[in-house]
Amino acid sequence: AQSVTQPDIHITVSEGASLELRCNYSYGATPYLFWYVQSPGQGLQLLLKYFSGDTLVQGIKGFEAEFKRSQSSFNLRKPSVHWSDAAEYFCAVGSLSSGSARQLTFGSGTQLTVLP
Amino acid sequence: SQTIHQWPATLVQPVGSPLSLECTVEGTSNPNLYWYRQAAGRGLQLLFYSVGIGQISSEVPQNLSASRPQDRQFILSSKKLLLSDSGFYLCAWTANIGNTIYFGEGSWLTVV
Repeated sequence: AQSVTQPDIHITVSEGASLELRCNYSYGATPYLFWYVQSPGQGLQLLLKYFSGDTLVQGIKGFEAEFKRSQSSFNLRKPSVHWSDAAEYFCAVGSLSSGSARQLTFGSGTQLTVLP
Repeated sequence: SQTIHQWPATLVQPVGSPLSLECTVEGTSNPNLYWYRQAAGRGLQLLFYSVGIGQISSEVPQNLSASRPQDRQFILSSKKLLLSDSGFYLCAWTANIGNTIYFGEGSWLTVV
């Protein structure tokens, strides 16, 4: 069974500083990997995804993530954080389950606080 | 473009009362549909998924149930709510052969 670990429950950075959110996964085959962001009281918005090809993927809002198979990681980065980036971030790995339904296994999330 | 709607956005219900959360997807046909729950301070838990009308798979045994009466409609129900049912419920969909899940705005349920 697949699993996702986000080792940092809470991260605080200053506005304008760089950001890296860690994600490690366990999956037997080539994974589908995702990062979602959730603002308070809102649904989840897709930031970016990796299926195959270039291991550095670009997403919305200036985010990028790098897939490293050797480290089973898919860390999310942003060179300069904005106050509006404060939210909870979820990493997820996708699988093909019975019935052809794609399911995601989510990490427990990382809460990002941005200081002025 | 495709959109997903779920309602109500907020719900306060007494213990033992019934529940019905509805979700509809527009702009696509034969989507895969999902219900997730996010309890306070915890991650996301898949509750149910459906690959077609009347086809429901349950991931977690509990007092909740799901139904799919129409192709783009997914309903989460309970006959008698428990305090532990409180949480944030998210409906989501994927295209039938798609790999990306898109989420609705969520429904806050507080059982009192």
